[in-house]
Order: sequence, then structure tokens, then C-alpha cells
Amino acid sequence: QSVLTQPPSASGTPGQRATISCSGSSSNIGSNIVNWYQQLPGTAPKLLIYTNNQRPSGVPDRFSGSKSGTSASLAISGLQSEDEAEYYCATWDDSLNVWVFGGGTKLTVL
Amino acid sequence: EVQLVESGGGGVRPGGSLRLSCAASGFTFDDYGMNWVRQVPGKGLEWVAGINWNGGTTGYADSVKGRFTISRDNAKNYLHLQMNSLRAEDTAFYHCARDLVDSGSYYDGFDYWGQGSLVSVSP
Repeated sequence: QSVLTQPPSASGTPGQRATISCSGSSSNIGSNIVNWYQQLPGTAPKLLIYTNNQRPSGVPDRFSGSKSGTSASLAISGLQSEDEAEYYCATWDDSLNVWVFGGGTKLTVL
Repeated sequence: EVQLVESGGGGVRPGGSLRLSCAASGFTFDDYGMNWVRQVPGKGLEWVAGINWNGGTTGYADSVKGRFTISRDNAKNYLHLQMNSLRAEDTAFYHCARDLVDSGSYYDGFDYWGQGSLVSVSP
């Protein structure tokens, strides 16, 4: 059971917009920044969004992040087949004094 | 180019020990905090441990506290994870990951990840 709650799966057709939610509490998302990671099959995770809504260089602007209260969201517009991957949210938890991850969301592009 | 390359994984019996290493290159190693994150094959990510730039501050997941020790050698640009009293549930790929800000702490997140070293604990 992960501290952060993500839906196990999400899907969309090419060109559509998909959103992935990440729900936490006041001790984690409510008081700290959220980062998002993309993991393609057989590869290491890649930083996709940091500090809630910032994109590292090289990440397309089709990817965007937001945070409100104790929840965060990742949005992917203009879905492409190469976006099929597992997506994880992560933040620091002030009560547990650890980094916590969501359980991951598998995105399928139909 | 930032590179993180793990080594030292393998098979071990329950109760045994292993030492993982992570060779870092392409950046000023002692400007950054570092972390170990593990992933059971086919499952999600779990933060294991973090260390600040000079080793003076460390943190551990409850699941490994008292059994695992994170350390670093800034002269050689290496990160280590000493794993003792290993259990079947420690079986996973272990990734080293760099903190995303050159503040020296490990509280900002992870930008670069190594490919991982597989640790398999079985009788």
C-alpha cells in the first residue's frame, strides 16, 4: 500500500489528452514539492516534471504538472505511442522522513 | 554526460550481506546528495536511503533501517550501500539516483538514475 495514491491504469487514443492523479496528505504533498517520473519498459525511471510543474530540458511541453492542496496531477496532451509507460509521482513526507512514491500508473495509448 | 553505474549485485542467502557500489561521473560528485531507490521486478519504486554531500546526514526507509548503511567516497566518486541481514523481500533492482539540485542535500528529488543492480535473496 503506497503512501501516495495513483490510479493503476490510464489510457487514451493518439492526439488525446490524458491525466494521471496523485493523492496524498498534509504531511507529504500538502507541504512539499511533487516530482513525476516516466519509466519505459526495461529502463530506469526518467525525471519528467519537478517542483510540481517544471520540465527538465528535453521534456516536451506536451507534459505538464500541477498541484493543489494534497493532490497533484500529470497531464499529457497530444498523446503519442511512445508515451506508453509507467508514471510515478513522488514527494518527501515530513512525518515519515522518507521519500514516498505513488504506486505507479500504466498509461496505454490505444 | 552524467553517468551512474551500479555494481555488486547478485544472489545471496537470507541473512547474508552484499555491498553495492555506484560509480559516478560527468558531474562534481560532492556538490550533490545521493540516494538508493529499489524496484521489485514488475512492481513500484521504493526509496531506500539518502546521503548528503559529505556523508554527515543520512536517512533510511523503515524497512531497511538498522540493516543497510549508505556511504560515499568523494575522493573516488563512489556511492555505496552495505546491506546486511538480507531478507527475501529485499530482492529488487537497486538504482542509485542523484539529487536534482546541487545543494548537497537529498531532499529535492532525483534527476539522473543508474540502470540498476539486481539483488536476489533466496535460500
